[in-house]
Amino acid sequence: QQQVKQSPQSLIVQKGGIPIINCAYENTAFDYFPWYQQFPGKGPALLIAIRPDVSEKKEGRFTISFNKSAKQFSLHIMDSQPGDSATYFCAASGRNNFNKFYFGSGTKLNVKP
Amino acid sequence: DAGITQSPRHKVTETGTPVTLRCHQTENHRYMYWYRQDPGHGLRLIHYSYGVKDTDKGEVSDGYSVSRSKTEDFLLTLESATSSQTSVYFCAISTGTGDFLSGANVLTFGAGSRLTVL
Repeated sequence: QQQVKQSPQSLIVQKGGIPIINCAYENTAFDYFPWYQQFPGKGPALLIAIRPDVSEKKEGRFTISFNKSAKQFSLHIMDSQPGDSATYFCAASGRNNFNKFYFGSGTKLNVKP
Repeated sequence: DAGITQSPRHKVTETGTPVTLRCHQTENHRYMYWYRQDPGHGLRLIHYSYGVKDTDKGEVSDGYSVSRSKTEDFLLTLESATSSQTSVYFCAISTGTGDFLSGANVLTFGAGSRLTVL
């Protein structure tokens, strides 16, 4: 049973569009939610992360929105570019073991020129 | 990739043979992980280690064993490989401060090892 559920599985947008990737969790012990970006042939790399004491975090064109009551969080990419084409993973770790991370199933994003 | 080396990077083997994947780090981090990546499943934790000789199971540990006899090396062994273990395997280290409140725990991944079991 996947601890973090991610959707959609794939996403195609035009350059300049705003792709949105959604994740949901059930374990209320989770309290750290990073997003990872993976380019083909590479390992994932940390993109941005949020803790549930804030509802939004922005770094450049990437924004995480967090809804604690719904146990959902999402990644928005503003003004998307072809270079953003990659696979994105949400993840979660918890207070009881903050070094153990659970990942979503991934979203393959294709930004068309 | 932040001082993480995985070997081999590619391996083709036959069902029933033993396979060992090696992860080597140069930065003396305490936590090391093995994940497998499969389409539709994302990254799933196999085993992780929190120190020399200290390991614990992840979500998909059946059929895998690990060992960590030195801080810098974390080995993943498939005692008798099966076709369902065909996957890309990633080693990772936790490069955060370990401070729960700072939220600074970051997983840094190696480049991956692609294993095909025929």
